[in-house]
Amino acid sequence: DAGVIQSPRHEVTEMGQEVTLRCKPISGHDYLFWYRQTMMRGLELLIYFNNNVPIDDSGMPEDRFSAKMPNASFSTLKIQPSEPRDSAVYFCASTYSGRSDTQYFGPGTRLTVL
Amino acid sequence: AQSVSQHNHHVILSEAASLELGCNYSYGGTVNLFWYVQYPGQHLQLLLKYFSGDPLVKGIKGFEAEFIKSKFSFNLRKPSVQWSDTAEYFCAVSSPGYSSASKIIFGSGTRLSIRP
Repeated sequence: DAGVIQSPRHEVTEMGQEVTLRCKPISGHDYLFWYRQTMMRGLELLIYFNNNVPIDDSGMPEDRFSAKMPNASFSTLKIQPSEPRDSAVYFCASTYSGRSDTQYFGPGTRLTVL
Repeated sequence: AQSVSQHNHHVILSEAASLELGCNYSYGGTVNLFWYVQYPGQHLQLLLKYFSGDPLVKGIKGFEAEFIKSKFSFNLRKPSVQWSDTAEYFCAVSSPGYSSASKIIFGSGTRLSIRP
């Protein structure tokens, strides 16, 4: 299995621009999680989906952030407009109901907003 | 609400030294406990996990952790560290009653630096 796939691996953009991060979970997994990692706040859960439906988005920082999962093999996290404080590494993780909470992480997208 | 505390932010050891990283959680019910490791420039990987049974859990690469319910702790140990253990270590907790793949709460992480 290829594992969780994220793209792009690195993104540099200017303040005000729209940023879209992409994630392909492991085939067969029915849960998908988006995390943000920064030096100041550590690893934060932003949102997670079960069977393509958002279950808990209480970690999404503000309305500039949105996430979708149109099908079982694809999810996006969008930031519009982006701000310098959004600079972080964004991880996607997936698991399935039978794995008792073990999450498999993607390589992350390092976002830099200038 | 659940929370996880890792009191050591940065630990520096020499090779062959013994390691113990502290982890305490706050939650009154049944918990699942995890240690994840993040090597420099890489993604998080599961090191070990505890769901039930023997409170002493053995993971990959010679790591182990002990669940002490009375202390709400799940400390990570390794008897003799190697330079390749340089990484950031995250303790995490979830509550199995929430769902079968419930939200995991991560600690702030402990950066481990090993001097060759």
